[in-house]
Amino acid sequence: EAGVAQSPRYKIIEKRQSVAFWCNPISGHATLYWYQQILGQGPKLLIQFQNNGVVDDSQLPKDRFSAERLKGVDSTLKIQPAKLEDSAVYLCASSLAGGDGTTEAFFGQGTRLTVV
Amino acid sequence: GQSLEQPSEVTAVEGAIVQINCTYQTSGFYGLSWYQQHDGGAPTFLSYNALDGLEETGRFSSFLSRSDSYGYLLLQELQMKDSASYFCAVRHGGFKTIFGAGTRLFVKA
Repeated sequence: EAGVAQSPRYKIIEKRQSVAFWCNPISGHATLYWYQQILGQGPKLLIQFQNNGVVDDSQLPKDRFSAERLKGVDSTLKIQPAKLEDSAVYLCASSLAGGDGTTEAFFGQGTRLTVV
Repeated sequence: GQSLEQPSEVTAVEGAIVQINCTYQTSGFYGLSWYQQHDGGAPTFLSYNALDGLEETGRFSSFLSRSDSYGYLLLQELQMKDSASYFCAVRHGGFKTIFGAGTRLFVKA
């Protein structure tokens, strides 16, 4: 079974530039998450999709971050314009369903963003 | 609001047993998960507890007490490869999952 695919793996941009990350979840997984992980910290949920609807985006800085999940499969996360504090690893994860059963989330390798 | 607390660092010797605690404050609690993350790697799922009690999977066990809003991860027969960060994560109302800040485990020879 293929895992969660993310691209690019690494990205360096200057502040005020824009950047986009792409995620392809495991086939059949209804729930897709984007997390931001700053070095030395736990993953922070930015946005959670159930199919192509947003379940939670309460911690997404909507003035600069946007995300979409077209047709309930692939997803893109965009930052425009980037700030220095956006430097982090952006992790995409997926899980089978959003119910309250076993909830194993499978993570991609992440995109390491450096804003200079 | 939602919050989780776990120790920032734990050090243990190879072959020993270590317990990593997690206390949480959340509404609409569904369950507690544990994830392992090696440096530069992706978090990988270890266990999930929805009910009180102990769940055992090989050398790793996880415990939950819903009345105490508390859980722990128990690692036995520690190996060098267990050196990693361990995150507890709470699944709460609206099928949302939030992570703790992580506990960095150092295993010494």
